[in-house]
Amino acid sequence: KQEVTQIPAALSVPEGENLVLNCSFTDSAIYNLQWFRQDPGKGLTSLLLIQSSQREQTSGRLNASLDKSSGRSTLYIAASQPGDSATYLCAVNTGFQKLVFGTGTRLLVSP
Amino acid sequence: ETGVTQSPTHLIKTRGQQVTLRCSSQSGHNTVSWYQQALGQGPQFIFQYYREEENGRGNFPPRFSGLQFPNYSSELNVNALELDDSALYLCASSTASVPGANVLTFGAGSRLTVL
Repeated sequence: KQEVTQIPAALSVPEGENLVLNCSFTDSAIYNLQWFRQDPGKGLTSLLLIQSSQREQTSGRLNASLDKSSGRSTLYIAASQPGDSATYLCAVNTGFQKLVFGTGTRLLVSP
Repeated sequence: ETGVTQSPTHLIKTRGQQVTLRCSSQSGHNTVSWYQQALGQGPQFIFQYYREEENGRGNFPPRFSGLQFPNYSSELNVNALELDDSALYLCASSTASVPGANVLTFGAGSRLTVL
């Protein structure tokens, strides 16, 4: 059974810091891995998708890496801003639309 | 129309009642899936529909059922509501032509409270 774990569960940093969120999964048989952002009480916004054959993806200040063999992914956020405050979820795709999610990292960036 | 839209945004029901949640898929998407997100947890896969047929189901009882219509809109029905059914219900759509290549687009969700 695929299980996804995210560390840390919560993170508080001052504005401008670079930070790393971690995600691990137990079964390397995945199609892809996605990182999502969720604001309180809202739906999910896809940030980055890494196919199983890829090692990283970048979008603006965000960079996500994938090491499928070790079952790990990281989301790197450069020069954090208060607007980055949200919960970040990673999810592995085990087939078509069946995503297995972690419980998320709650990020607070203080001005 | 772009994006995934869900209705209603919030609703309150009592234990034992039935509820129907609705989802309009993003234009061009032919596959829809539903997720349940309890407070403080990650979303849990309920089921997915492709060409109006259920095509994969998570660990949810039969009182959770769904429909997909020819225009690819979808419904999630929950019978005999229980207190633990209180959650945010998320709908996601994509094109399923190539497994794993598709990016899921999520709606804003329907917040269900069962009293």
